[in-house]
Amino acid sequence: DAGITQSPRYKITETGRQVTLMCHQTWSHSYMFWYRQDLGHGLRLIYYSAAADITDKGEVPDGYVVSRSKTENFPLTLESATRSQTSVYFCASSEVGSTGWYQPQHFGDGTRLSIL
Amino acid sequence: QKEVEQNSGPLSVPEGAIASLNCTYSDRGSQSFFWYRQYSGKSPELIMFIYSNGDKEDGRFTAQLNKASQYVSLLIRDSQPSDSATYLCAVNRPSGAGSYQLTFGKGTKLSVIP
Repeated sequence: DAGITQSPRYKITETGRQVTLMCHQTWSHSYMFWYRQDLGHGLRLIYYSAAADITDKGEVPDGYVVSRSKTENFPLTLESATRSQTSVYFCASSEVGSTGWYQPQHFGDGTRLSIL
Repeated sequence: QKEVEQNSGPLSVPEGAIASLNCTYSDRGSQSFFWYRQYSGKSPELIMFIYSNGDKEDGRFTAQLNKASQYVSLLIRDSQPSDSATYLCAVNRPSGAGSYQLTFGKGTKLSVIP
């Protein structure tokens, strides 16, 4: 089925460890996004990608690394996890129309990450 | 001033009433607007989008856009307890050089009381 899937759904790790969150979409959307959602802050953009091998920083990129070697995959890596990175992480995808406006973004189910 | 503002709520309405959710935005160049619904512990799901001034209706939902006043609203008629969720407003706003970025408000929590 077409859609966007995230894995794992839940993850507990310790400070200082590296952790990678996976995102896979089957719509062939050009654009993919990573958000974190915390109480009081709403959705905050971490990184986004306009196409394979093209990535750019969002509002809160520090401590995160992304890559996009294939259009359908957009993994997010926390190289050395900190407690402040405990959050719910959402991946999304969309297209941009001829006007330059984003089309509606479609979200994955999220990864709930706890860093002890 | 925040780029996209929503009243955090909670907004409580009785079952069967009209719920009115508002969103204001600061960038006059903003073009397209989206409403998402997010149930607790779930991901945001798209309800409606609107590009042009005026009203757009889809079932019990009506989106209203007023670019001159820089606000977009979502009306939910005949509110049901299943409408209880957080509603996120998202705005396509210019980010320079002809490109745009999508900015989300923090959301309004709606509670429909049976």
